Amino acid sequence: GAVVSQHPSWVICKSGTSVKIECRSLDFQATTMFWYRQFPKQSLMLMATSNEGSKATYEQGVEKDKFLINHASLTLSTLTVTSAHPEDSSFYICSARGTDNSPLHFGNGTRLTVT
Amino acid sequence: DQQVKQNSPSLSVQEGRISILNCDYTNSMFDYFLWYKKYPAEGPTFLISISSIKDKNEDGRFTVFLNKSAKHLSLHIVPSQPGDSAVYFCAASGGLGMSHNAGKSTFGDGTTLTVKP
Repeated sequence: GAVVSQHPSWVICKSGTSVKIECRSLDFQATTMFWYRQFPKQSLMLMATSNEGSKATYEQGVEKDKFLINHASLTLSTLTVTSAHPEDSSFYICSARGTDNSPLHFGNGTRLTVT
Repeated sequence: DQQVKQNSPSLSVQEGRISILNCDYTNSMFDYFLWYKKYPAEGPTFLISISSIKDKNEDGRFTVFLNKSAKHLSLHIVPSQPGDSAVYFCAASGGLGMSHNAGKSTFGDGTTLTVKP
């Protein structure tokens, strides 16, 4: 089946630094990738929709200058958390799909801890 | 306004019995519904889906029922197994009629299923 690789699986960084998370579709071309944030015991909160070759569409309340998304190819999207603060500590998950309405394929998530 | 709701945060069933997970939605433009299963510290995995032109889809032990008039869908797992213990997310997406949301899925809060041996 389709595989989405997310890296790193966990990262600890100091407050004020930036962290880059990669999301790769390994065996299919992902025209659209999504980035989510999940708080404990809550659902996946969609942060932004990333389309290859165009600017990401951010959900209301998500700071686009803080969460930089780049989708430079059909197999790679990156999320950069800039000037990280402890409140950015969370579980970040990406997903990818090939065509509209095809099931989403999720990465295994990245646990970010900002100290 | 939460467009996809899973009103039961948790469900516990005995091994071998049926598990029924419920999901309600409010947006009539949704035309494709999916269930995902998630283990701790992992990303969700796709389980089963149903298009709005159908009212039932079956895959092995998993069956999804859709009641469009009630804007309700349910996932039945029978027989339930301990390995089914996980968080189950219901998701809904719209087609081109929802131009802003085309291809984007809206998730419920999840239901934690525990299957006891």
